[in-house]
Amino acid sequence: AQSVSQHNHHVILSEAASLELGCNYSYGGTVNLFWYVQYPGQHLQLLLKYFSGDPLVKGIKGFEAEFIKSKFSFNLRKPSVQWSDTAEYFCAVNLRGGFKTIFGAGTRLFVKA
Amino acid sequence: ETGVTQSPTHLIKTRGQQVTLRCSSQSGHNTVSWYQQALGQGPQFIFQYYREEENGRGNFPPRFSGLQFPNYSSELNVNALELDDSALYLCASSLITGETQYFGPGTRLLVL
Repeated sequence: AQSVSQHNHHVILSEAASLELGCNYSYGGTVNLFWYVQYPGQHLQLLLKYFSGDPLVKGIKGFEAEFIKSKFSFNLRKPSVQWSDTAEYFCAVNLRGGFKTIFGAGTRLFVKA
Repeated sequence: ETGVTQSPTHLIKTRGQQVTLRCSSQSGHNTVSWYQQALGQGPQFIFQYYREEENGRGNFPPRFSGLQFPNYSSELNVNALELDDSALYLCASSLITGETQYFGPGTRLLVL
């Protein structure tokens, strides 16, 4: 069955700490990979995406993610978090050209000032 | 550029009733997807519409139905509401299926 797993449901970090959020998927075929973020009181919005090419992709606000095909993973990283990064982060996957996007359960990140 | 809007923002229904939720896509987007997000979970795909036709469906029963109009706005209808239908319902539009989705603020439905 198609699924997306996010390893951490809640993460608490201090400002300037490094962040890595895990995402693994179970999906046959060529996939598109996304990280979406929901800041408090705001809509879900795209943080970054991978369709093809360089497996290390950079997104907004200093975030990056690495696609490791052999591990079915697409982990999100940021070298130094800020208080404003407090949000919920969702990993999402769909089949290239497909209509159905599957989301992980989300990770709530809280950054202490 | 107008973003994705949804109405109403929240509503309360009783079990067995019917509900219609509305969505206006981002300008120029002809693909709209609907999601159900229960508390503490990620969005679950309900279905997608492309140019007024249902393009694909997730694991939701037929009492969840939809429409897309020529202006690409969309409706989600849920019949015979059950308590478990209580959730946040999200609408997302995209230029091309499988591409980046732009989400609305959601409609929070409570079924009593």
